[in-house]
Amino acid sequence: DAGVIQSPRHEVTEMGQEVTLRCKPISGHDYLFWYRQTMMRGLELLIYFNNNVPIDDSGMPEDRFSAKMPNASFSTLKIQPSEPRDSAVYFCASSPGGGNRNEKLFFGSGTQLSVL
Amino acid sequence: GESVGLHLPTLSVQEGDNSIINCAYSNSASDYFIWYKQESGKGPQFIIDIRSNMDKRQGQRVTVLLNKTVKHLSLQIAATQPGDSAVYFCAENIGQTNAGKSTFGDGTTLTVKP
Repeated sequence: DAGVIQSPRHEVTEMGQEVTLRCKPISGHDYLFWYRQTMMRGLELLIYFNNNVPIDDSGMPEDRFSAKMPNASFSTLKIQPSEPRDSAVYFCASSPGGGNRNEKLFFGSGTQLSVL
Repeated sequence: GESVGLHLPTLSVQEGDNSIINCAYSNSASDYFIWYKQESGKGPQFIIDIRSNMDKRQGQRVTVLLNKTVKHLSLQIAATQPGDSAVYFCAENIGQTNAGKSTFGDGTTLTVKP
């Protein structure tokens, strides 16, 4: 299995531009998560999906952030318009879920976002 | 000026020694705990987990201890190797209905000296 695949690996953009981050979870995993990592705040959960349905988006910082999961093999996190304070590493993770509390997360390699 | 951010605990050990990384968790309702390892430029990687009905679990060279009375978790790494150098995070989960909604600690940076 290739694991969780994220793209792009690095993104440099200017303030005000739209940014779209992409994620392909591990096949068969029922849960998909978007995390953000910064030196200031550590690892923060932004939103997670179960069977393509958003379950908890309470971590999404503002309306500028949106996430979708149109099918079981693809998710996007969009920031529009982007601001310098959005600069961070954004991780996508998936988890098998299921009745046996199989909740360990499998992380992608992350997208390093720099907003100038 | 001085940058403000998380002040991650650090641990420096000699190759071959045992390492103990500690974590205090916040929610007494947490019932599932996971340790992750994050190497530079990579995402966190699962190491070992433990449920709240246990107080110890062993893996290959790693042991996790859970003390629910004081809400404390520790990760022990035996015969630490240079490849163990990384940031280590503990994560806590609450309840099966929140499956996978992990809250991460700040992390501990482990440096292994050859």
